[in-house]
Amino acid sequence: AQTVTQSQPEMSVQEAETVTLSCTYDTSESDYYLFWYKQPPSRQMILVIRQEAYKQQNATENRFSVNFQKAAKSFSLKISDSQLGDAAMYFCAYSGNQFYFGTGTSLTVIP
Amino acid sequence: KAGVTQTPRYLIKTRGQQVTLSCSPISGHRSVSWYQQTPGQGLQFLFEYFSETQRNKGNFPGRFSGRQFSNSRSEMNVSTLELGDSALYLCASSFLAESYNEQFFGPGTRLTVL
Repeated sequence: AQTVTQSQPEMSVQEAETVTLSCTYDTSESDYYLFWYKQPPSRQMILVIRQEAYKQQNATENRFSVNFQKAAKSFSLKISDSQLGDAAMYFCAYSGNQFYFGTGTSLTVIP
Repeated sequence: KAGVTQTPRYLIKTRGQQVTLSCSPISGHRSVSWYQQTPGQGLQFLFEYFSETQRNKGNFPGRFSGRQFSNSRSEMNVSTLELGDSALYLCASSFLAESYNEQFFGPGTRLTVL
C-alpha cells in the first residue's frame, strides 16, 4: 500500500528566509502524481504545487519549488522569501489509484 | 465560479446516533472524494464517487457510507456514532477522476461526538 510520510510535525522560519519541508512516500506504481497542499488556520485547503512522476524537471510556482527525487521517493517543498501568509499546515499528497496524504507539517513564520 | 460547499459546518451528536453530511462540488466537477481529518492522523481517505458510482473506498468500517446524486452532489452517512468519529470531514471535488487532477476542497464539517 502507498504511504506518505512527513517527518517534521512542526517547522518555523524567519520572515524572508527559506524553509524546506520534507516528504517521503512509498509506492510500487510507476505512474503517479505528487502534490503539496496548504491549509491555513480555519481556511480551506488549497493546492500549492503539483509534480508529475514521469517528469524529471522539478516543478516551481513563484516562491514555491520542489525537489523531486524519484529513486529515493522523496518530494520536498522549498519556500523562498517566506511571508507571514505562508503560515499554515502543509500536506504532502500522493495520487495514483487514489489520494494519500501525509500527516502534515505546521509551518510558523516568525516576523 | 462557486467553490465546494459543505453543510452543515458544525455538528454535535451523541454516541449511537447517526449523521448525514452534504457536499456540493464545483459546477461541472463530477468526482467527489471524502476525507476524515484528525490531529496527528492527517487526512484519511474515505471514498470517492464519480458519476454516481463509488470508484474507491478507504479502510473505514461499514458504518461509513456515501452516495452521489445525478447533479454530482454527494452525501456521506455515519451510523452508530462513536467518540472516535469526532473529526473534520472534508469533501473535495475534481473535474475528472484521473490522478493528475487537482482536488478542490470544501471548508469541512466539524463533527463532535459526545
